[in-house]
Amino acid sequence: DTGVSQDPRHKITKRGQNVTFRCDPISEHNRLYWYRQTLGQGPEFLTYFQNEAQLEKSRLLSDRFSAERPKGSFSTLEIQRTEQGDSAMYLCASSLEEGSGNTIYFGEGSWLTVV
Amino acid sequence: EDKVVQSPLSLVVHEGDTVTLNCSYEVTNFRSLLWYKQEKKAPTFLFMLTSSGIEKKSGRLSSILDKKELFSILNITATQTGDSAVYLCAVGINAGNNRKLIWGLGTSLAVNP
Repeated sequence: DTGVSQDPRHKITKRGQNVTFRCDPISEHNRLYWYRQTLGQGPEFLTYFQNEAQLEKSRLLSDRFSAERPKGSFSTLEIQRTEQGDSAMYLCASSLEEGSGNTIYFGEGSWLTVV
Repeated sequence: EDKVVQSPLSLVVHEGDTVTLNCSYEVTNFRSLLWYKQEKKAPTFLFMLTSSGIEKKSGRLSSILDKKELFSILNITATQTGDSAVYLCAVGINAGNNRKLIWGLGTSLAVNP
């Protein structure tokens, strides 16, 4: 296992379309995080899972956003009815639970451009 | 409100210079402080610090945490053009039963040949 992988790496979509991103975490990691990052900003927390349970969602995660991790392994982040303001890099990260001190490892990110 | 402040916001140096990047924080329930390097892709992990006064080193990079004064520094010696990146600082906190990372805005470092 070489790390966190995300797919697709780049997505251009028309406003109003739905998009879905996939994240495969490091295999032994039971925590999985989604972040969004725009130019000049640090990553903004969206949501995180411990195994298959979604434990926290940010206020940034509007009702157009939904994330799942059905079997506690890979996760998907879906954005419905995309808006131009959704254009950003969507980062997935994973970590172990206790004992890791919150060291999280990021994937390469999925760039979304809404036109 | 929990916050992490990095300084400077941007920095331009010449190859061979030594730079010091700062990260100060005001948070409740501190757990750890992490440094990441971000080029034109996702952040890559550099260091995690949990104890005061213990320097962590990796090649030309080193970092130390001061939990009394609530800050950390990241030093890069003998800078190279490949060090050009945004350096992000994040503080891990306990928030109820959950854990969060509070991010700074980053320091953009440009190393000129």
